[in-house]
Amino acid sequence: DIQMTQSPSSLSASLGDRVTITCRASQSIDTNLNWYQQKPGKAPELLIYAASTLQTGAPSRFSGSGSGTEFTLTISSLQREDLATYYCQQSYSTLITFGQGTRLDIK
Amino acid sequence: EVQLVESGGGLVKPGGSLRLSCAASGFTFSSYSMNWVRQAPGKGLEWISYISKSGSVKDADSVKGRFVISRDNDKNELFLQMNSLRAEDTATYYCVREILVGTPIWAFDIWGQGTMVTVSS
Repeated sequence: DIQMTQSPSSLSASLGDRVTITCRASQSIDTNLNWYQQKPGKAPELLIYAASTLQTGAPSRFSGSGSGTEFTLTISSLQREDLATYYCQQSYSTLITFGQGTRLDIK
Repeated sequence: EVQLVESGGGLVKPGGSLRLSCAASGFTFSSYSMNWVRQAPGKGLEWISYISKSGSVKDADSVKGRFVISRDNDKNELFLQMNSLRAEDTATYYCVREILVGTPIWAFDIWGQGTMVTVSS
């Protein structure tokens, strides 16, 4: 199975901060990488697909980059509603795997 | 409105069985592959089962031989038959639609609200 490792596992940032979350794959997955946002008590929502394409309706302060084994999710200016856990997911392999999640708190 | 609504969760004893259902609406169900993803309390997301439009399936090793995914395209329903349940199967189970977003890249674009399964004596 392809292992997905996110860092950090949790972080606390202030409103307006630029936030970056990293996701690493145990082997190359090209750009078969998606990001999901899960707000407390809610189902996950697709945020970014194919490493860098913003899902329709997602705020433009979110962006994604990377290919191969290293990927990043960036929030350009943190807003209160961004309080959530963020997951990366690879769809390169037929056995889908997620990262362990990054919990984002607001200071 | 595109919607997925799961049902069938509950409390079951270890070794028992449970059948989850997912009702799809607002889109042409038969045109999409579907998945089940679960989340243990306080833990991350785990993909467990996939079924294609035509009915071919894949399962995670953690549920292989115990869980069976199926679909009824006429009734717009997805199912997960769960047998030989264990304490570690305790989780919220999400029904998830899969879409093609690249060549070939897939993503999970629509999620149900989830149904909770608790395995305990």
